[in-house]
Parts: sequence; C-alpha cells; structure tokens
Amino acid sequence: GQNIDQPTEMTATEGAIVQINCTYQTSGFNGLFWYQQHAGEAPTFLSYNVLDGLEEKGRFSSFLSRSKGYSYLLLKELQMKDSASYLCAVLNSNYQLIWGAGTKLIIKP
Amino acid sequence: ETGVTQTPRHLVMGMTNKKSLKCEQHLGHNAMYWYKQSAKKPLELMFVYNFKEQTENNSVPSRFSPECPNSSHLFLHLHTLQPEDSALYLCASSQTSGSPSYEQYFGPGTRLTVT
Repeated sequence: GQNIDQPTEMTATEGAIVQINCTYQTSGFNGLFWYQQHAGEAPTFLSYNVLDGLEEKGRFSSFLSRSKGYSYLLLKELQMKDSASYLCAVLNSNYQLIWGAGTKLIIKP
Repeated sequence: ETGVTQTPRHLVMGMTNKKSLKCEQHLGHNAMYWYKQSAKKPLELMFVYNFKEQTENNSVPSRFSPECPNSSHLFLHLHTLQPEDSALYLCASSQTSGSPSYEQYFGPGTRLTVT
C-alpha cells in the first residue's frame, strides 16, 4: 500500500526552530508537497520538492531525500501564528496526491 | 471573488434530507477535486474531474453524487447520509499536467454535521 507518516503533534517555543519529519512509501514519485492548515481554514501551499536537497523560502525550508523516502519541513524563528497543522503529500506515478494525516504544531510563548 | 469558494460554510442535516455543496474556482484551472477531512485522518480524495470529466471515484458511497457542469463549478449532492459522514468537505482545483502545476488550491470547506 501507499502511506505517508508524520508525527501527530509537536510542541515548540516561540522564537525557536522546529523540524517536522515526513516519511513516505508510494508507487512512484513525482514530487512532495507541504501544506499549512490553520484550524477551520483551507490548507495553503508551502513548498514543493522534486529533487534532493534543501529549498529555502524565508523562515520555512523543506528538505527531500528520495533514496530514503524522507522529507522535513524546518520552521525558524517561530511565531505564534505558526500554530497550525502541517500536511505532507506525495504525488505518485499516477499523479495522485497521497496525503499524510498532518502534524499539529503548538507554539508556546 | 478570487481563489476557490465554497458554500455553505456550515451545514446541519438530518439523515433523510437532500442537500448540495457548491464549489467555484476563479483560477482558470482545469481540474477540480472533492476531499473529505475527518479529525486526525489523512485527507480522503473522493472525486476528481479533469475538463469536466470525472476521472476518479475512490469507492465513494452512492449517497454522495458529484456534478461538474463546467471547469469552474463543482457540486456534491448529498442524500440519506449517515452520522459518520459528518466531516469537513474540501474542494480544490489545479492545473492538469506538469509540475508544479499539480499544486492544489483549496476552498475554506463546508463543515457538515449529520444528525
């Protein structure tokens, strides 16, 4: 089967750094997405990785290792507004998006 | 309006009711999707439409009936639902081929409660 694994919940402190991991097993690979979803709102696109390495976008960075079936989302200088769920999704060989259950990130002052 | 809109935002219905959810995208995309989101579970893809044609139906019960009259509008018709169908129903749209055009843009969702 196909599955995406990510931690259910993480807690971090305002101003700190947090890394949210995602491992995947899918039928083929055409890229990995990270989305942010605030409670009661729509998921919004954060990043897309298709090649190995680190993609940096402001305070957020996303890393991919295709050989390990592994990605992480790195959030720096955490702010209270970063409290949200972070969804990992993989585009498989049929161009279907396979979703993880999401990681709820709680930021404490 | 811009982006992806969904109406209603909240819906409470009895098991014998018939209702419809509406989604509209203003992004010029060719693909539209219905997802079900339940607490602590991955997004469940229900239906996919490409250029108004249904290309995917992930074993969804017949009490959910999609309709896509054009590339900008998508409906989900509901009838004789069960309490376990209570969830957030999300609509999304994207381009159809190539990357990163598979990036999906989501609407705010309809919070459905079946009583």
